[in-house]
Amino acid sequence: AQKITQTQPGMFVQEKEAVTLDCTYDTSDQSYGLFWYKQPSSGEMIFLIYQGSYDEQNATEGRYSLNFQKARKSANLVISASQLGDSAMYFCAMREALIKAAGNKLTFGGGTRVLVKP
Amino acid sequence: DVKVTQSSRYLVKRTGEKVFLECVQDMDHENMFWYRQDPGLGLRLIYFSYDVKMKEKGDIPEGYSVSREKKERFSLILESASTNQTSMYLCASSYGGGVSEQYFGPGTRLTVT
Repeated sequence: AQKITQTQPGMFVQEKEAVTLDCTYDTSDQSYGLFWYKQPSSGEMIFLIYQGSYDEQNATEGRYSLNFQKARKSANLVISASQLGDSAMYFCAMREALIKAAGNKLTFGGGTRVLVKP
Repeated sequence: DVKVTQSSRYLVKRTGEKVFLECVQDMDHENMFWYRQDPGLGLRLIYFSYDVKMKEKGDIPEGYSVSREKKERFSLILESASTNQTSMYLCASSYGGGVSEQYFGPGTRLTVT
């Protein structure tokens, strides 16, 4: 089974509107972390936001917020007030077993391509 | 700012050639990673290293090896390149332990003909 599933391969969003990118995950660990990255057409991966499994509040970072529903194992990214520069690929990723000392490995989903229309 | 650099943005090699991809980070990070990125598959971990001379296999290590002789440098080696290794290769680094985001290089698009 896939550990990280992003069901939306691509989507359009109107400028200034909000968009929600879906991410579901599968883990048996109690302690884990969820990340979102943005990859513009230039190729570099840009870290956006992080949510720990024990964090009680949903993470927010500027126009980015993470809708964390632990029981449903989902960690959806919400981008508010979309801008043309938000057009990019977006990847959800998970780090399992945070108590492990070494590695900090991430497992990535397949990504969602977002195109913001003016 | 953290900087992760990769030796080439684009590389074209022939089947059977030995290929070296180099990655350097300037933030004294303990962890370094090599991923390959293919459409629809996201990023898949090839190898990672959590210390000098230490390495662990990721999810798809077959056909690859790595070397980390210095803390700032992590090399990915394709011993005998094959066409199915045509891909985008991304290097990343992070602080050791705890929770830390990974910082990525610009990627190397490798084409094996």
